[in-house]
This record gives sequence, structure tokens and C-alpha cells, in this order.
Amino acid sequence: QSALTQPASVSGSPGQSITISCTGTSSDVGAYNYVTWYQQHPDKAPRVIISEVSNRPSGVSNRFSGSKSGNTASLTISGLQADDEADYYCSSYTTSDTYVFGTGTKVTVV
Amino acid sequence: QVQLQESGPGLVKPSGTLSLTCGVSLASISGHVWWNWLRQPPGEGLEWIGQIHHSGGGSSNPSLKSRVTISVDKSKNEFSLNLNSVTAADTAVYYCASNPGTGQFQYWGQGTLVTVSS
Repeated sequence: QSALTQPASVSGSPGQSITISCTGTSSDVGAYNYVTWYQQHPDKAPRVIISEVSNRPSGVSNRFSGSKSGNTASLTISGLQADDEADYYCSSYTTSDTYVFGTGTKVTVV
Repeated sequence: QVQLQESGPGLVKPSGTLSLTCGVSLASISGHVWWNWLRQPPGEGLEWIGQIHHSGGGSSNPSLKSRVTISVDKSKNEFSLNLNSVTAADTAVYYCASNPGTGQFQYWGQGTLVTVSS
């Protein structure tokens, strides 16, 4: 199985909005609504910020939102803050009963 | 909330077997949860290794399937990972995580670095 495709890096100024894409295939992203987004700060375990394409867990800022169209999922961070600087990964359940991650995106707040 | 803690050797010799255990607290290993192993090589991205359900069902990454065994110990409320024939490419931080059946790795252990070296 091939990794989902994400941009290597995205940057924005404080207060701006940025969007990270996650492109897969009809066997993963396009097959189910089991797309999850994770935020990972250096030397920390990842944490879920969006599950099932667009669900935001309790405690996660409403500045994070998710969507999906066809084989591409997207994460939008609005009102960018310094603490949003981190690595972001998407993951998807697949038709082979496996999971695949995205290549990861480094978000920089400039 | 569920608490997970990885344990095991931090150094494994090439061609040997990597063995890790994940202790589960504040939840029963026999619940409706899938128990997972994932890893992250230094400076690289996340990779899913495999999952197991207490009933015995499970699946694993096709790229690792021939080398991976994941098992559950209900009496100890823990699950384990064995990865055999390791090479330097298996050097990574290994995480255990829980999936409540919604496609997400909801709770994670802190991770443990395993280095493959002679």
C-alpha cells in the first residue's frame, strides 16, 4: 500500500488560514469516511484533531476543521497560532482492512 | 481515559527479534477496542504495523506481515508485538495505540525508541 500524499510543508502568518491536502485512492480515502488527522509536536506522541473526516474530539479547538471530496481529504486550520506549529498527518482505513498514513506536513507559523 | 505504556528492550541486534509489550490501564483489553502498534523512524513519518482484537481478529501492514506477530494477554491486560529478522531499517520509536472502531488511533502510549545495532 502506498502512503497518502501530503504537501511536505505549509506556512502561514498568525491569524491566517491554511489548508493541508491528503490524496489517496478509491481503496482508502475514497472508500470510507475513516479519515483521521493527527497533530504531532516534537518528541511527542501524535494526537487526534479530526476523526471520521470532520469530527472534532472534545478539547480540540474549533479552529481545526476537516472535509473530503472524492479521494482527497483536507484539514483547514483557521486563525493560525504559534502553537499550531507542528507536523500533521492524515490516515485512512483501507479496503484491505489495513491503515495507511500520509507523508506528513510540517506547518510553520511565520 | 485509556492509558497505554510500552515496555521492552531499547537495543536489538540485527537479525534478532524485537519484542515489545503495551500495558493497558483504565480499560479492559477485552473491550470493543482494536489494539494497535505503530512506529516512526527518527525524522520520518508514521507507519502502521498492525492491530489485534481480544477475540483474536487482526490484520497487519502487508510490507511487514511476514515478520510481525501481535498477541493479547487477557490475564495481564496487555498486548505485545514481535518483529523478527530486524535490520537497521527497523530502528524507530514504537507506539501502541487504541482504536475504538472509528478508524482513529485515539489513545497513544508515550512511545519507546528501539535501536537495531550490533
